[in-house]
Amino acid sequence: DGGITQSPKYLFRKEGQNVTLSCEQNLNHDAMYWYRQDPGQGLRLIYYSQIVNDFQKGDIAEGYSVSREKKESFPLTVTSAQKNPTAFYLCASSTGTGAEQFFGPGTRLTVL
Amino acid sequence: GNSVTQMEGPVTLSEEAFLTINCTYTATGYPSLFWYVQYPGEGLQLLLKATKADDKGSNKGFEATYRKETTSFHLEKGSVQVSDSAVYFCAATMKNTGTASKLTFGTGTRLQVTL
Repeated sequence: DGGITQSPKYLFRKEGQNVTLSCEQNLNHDAMYWYRQDPGQGLRLIYYSQIVNDFQKGDIAEGYSVSREKKESFPLTVTSAQKNPTAFYLCASSTGTGAEQFFGPGTRLTVL
Repeated sequence: GNSVTQMEGPVTLSEEAFLTINCTYTATGYPSLFWYVQYPGEGLQLLLKATKADDKGSNKGFEATYRKETTSFHLEKGSVQVSDSAVYFCAATMKNTGTASKLTFGTGTRLQVTL
């Protein structure tokens, strides 16, 4: 089955540690995205990528980094510079401009 | 930039009641419009979409019509079920020249349906 996978579903880290969230898609989509969701709020865009080896900052990129070495993979690193990293993180992909985005199941990150 | 405004929740309805969740957008040009649904602890699922004025998206009994004159995309369902309890997000994206489209989301509306 085609889709987007995110792992792990739950992640716990100590304050000051970097952590990398995985996102893989087998939909052959060119574009991929990372969003952050806080309780009772909408989604905010962190980073997005249109093609391999290219990515752009979204609305809240500070304290995050990404890479896009393969079309299928778009990992997100939450660095120690992110002041409030505890949140639900969602990865998505799309075929192109104006098209709907398909979402993964999300990773809930808790920083202790 | 674009913005999406949707009615605040929670919305509490009895089973078989009529549902309306209002959504309006602000954008330069004519965006594509979407409704997504999120069940507890899960990612977002596309519920329906419309890409041009007067288009009607529909799925699983839900409908929404792209109204350019009122810049709205209200979600409706004639008879809700307990299983429809979830958070609903309205979203808009512009048709850019690149391959990626930035989605702008509303804040979400929680729907709770009771027996």
